[in-house]
Amino acid sequence: QKEVEQNSGPLSVPEGAIASLNCTYSDRGSQSFFWYRQYSGKSPELIMFIYSNGDKEDGRFTAQLNKASQYVSLLIRDSQPSDSATYLCAVNIGGGNKLTFGTGTQLKVEL
Amino acid sequence: GAVVSQHPSWVICKSGTSVKIECRSLDFQATTMFWYRQFPKQSLMLMATSNEGSKATYEQGVEKDKFLINHASLTLSTLTVTSAHPEDSSFYICSVSRRKLAGGYYEQYFGPGTRLTVT
Repeated sequence: QKEVEQNSGPLSVPEGAIASLNCTYSDRGSQSFFWYRQYSGKSPELIMFIYSNGDKEDGRFTAQLNKASQYVSLLIRDSQPSDSATYLCAVNIGGGNKLTFGTGTQLKVEL
Repeated sequence: GAVVSQHPSWVICKSGTSVKIECRSLDFQATTMFWYRQFPKQSLMLMATSNEGSKATYEQGVEKDKFLINHASLTLSTLTVTSAHPEDSSFYICSVSRRKLAGGYYEQYFGPGTRLTVT
């Protein structure tokens, strides 16, 4: 089992819809969770982080964390074509400052 | 957040030569920086952890004599790809680790990356 798992996609959603991206992790002791957006040919950009169970909202983005079920998700409301990118889930496994990344989910927002 | 720069943004070199990539933390002093490599359509692969004033910690399978890392100051880490070969062609990305005061968690912020092509 991979430490951080994501569906590679592509996930296609129509413009204006809600995009739901999911991530599961193996280490029950993980404490911090991150979502990065990576456009093709560019480096990752941090868009959300969450440390506590529940929801965290920032603009059109909502991160959801369920430590009991060991999953973290990212919802993007009112999806725009500019949201088309690969979304990487990252988990701080084992403490310290190292992150373990999933393989990413490619999101395509279609007109 | 954090502002991170990398230089050069792209480089083409001949097989057998060495290439140095710089990573700079522009707005805070970074004790720890990370170096990643990413091949086309693949995820990030952590190569090594660069600690200021000490030897880098390499991930399993990464040759430390081939990928030399120097973190001589709190704002600069360098990665030198020695005796580069075409299979080293990749997108090299550094990140800085910044500790959040609230909660003590660490966040990582990435540089723009360096695209290396070895001919």
